[in-house]
Amino acid sequence: DAGITQSPRHKVTETGTPVTLRCHQTENHRYMYWYRQDPGHGLRLIHYSYGVKDTDKGEVSDGYSVSRSKTEDFLLTLESATSSQTSVYFCAIQDSGMSSYNEQFFGPGTRLTVL
Amino acid sequence: GENVEQHPSTLSVQEGDSAVIKCTYSDSASNYFPWYKQELGKGPQLIIDIRSNVGEKKDQRIAVTLNKTAKHFSLHITETQPEDSAVYFCAASASGNTPLVFGKGTRLSVIA
Repeated sequence: DAGITQSPRHKVTETGTPVTLRCHQTENHRYMYWYRQDPGHGLRLIHYSYGVKDTDKGEVSDGYSVSRSKTEDFLLTLESATSSQTSVYFCAIQDSGMSSYNEQFFGPGTRLTVL
Repeated sequence: GENVEQHPSTLSVQEGDSAVIKCTYSDSASNYFPWYKQELGKGPQLIIDIRSNVGEKKDQRIAVTLNKTAKHFSLHITETQPEDSAVYFCAASASGNTPLVFGKGTRLSVIA
């Protein structure tokens, strides 16, 4: 299995509180992604990073921010959580080499509940 | 941007039968089409992928076909087994490291 972990694995929080999810990799892969997974919507890209301090928005970026100060860590922050952000969040990593093309390796996920 | 449609959303088959899941995409620039399998409580895992320079690829009981003219690709699972029960996602992207766009998933149930 690819060396990718997410923390916390489960979190319950209240509306309006800030929340930070962490993705950590040991593969030294250049690309890192944050997705949310909701019934009927599949996997939707929130933000991604193509290097340290290099990030870009995905399809559903509103209400989320990210930071990547080290190759191995990619943080997802909900500045003020809302009930619509209740979801399962997945981090994924991807090498930049052409031999691996676009294969992404996913973490185990974080289940976030916003009350 | 790219849009990927996946059908059916749920699929039940008898053990030993075949299962087919179909996806269509909108961006003619897309040239990489992976399929991911997600078991309960886990993250998706790549099971097979195909690039636009080939029309079919097989790996044991799993095969993927691609029709670039019609912009659709399909996953075929033969001799299904209970352990094939999972959610399957198709995805598409253009060359290089363009982010993947996923379909909404198909929940496959293999009935013993």
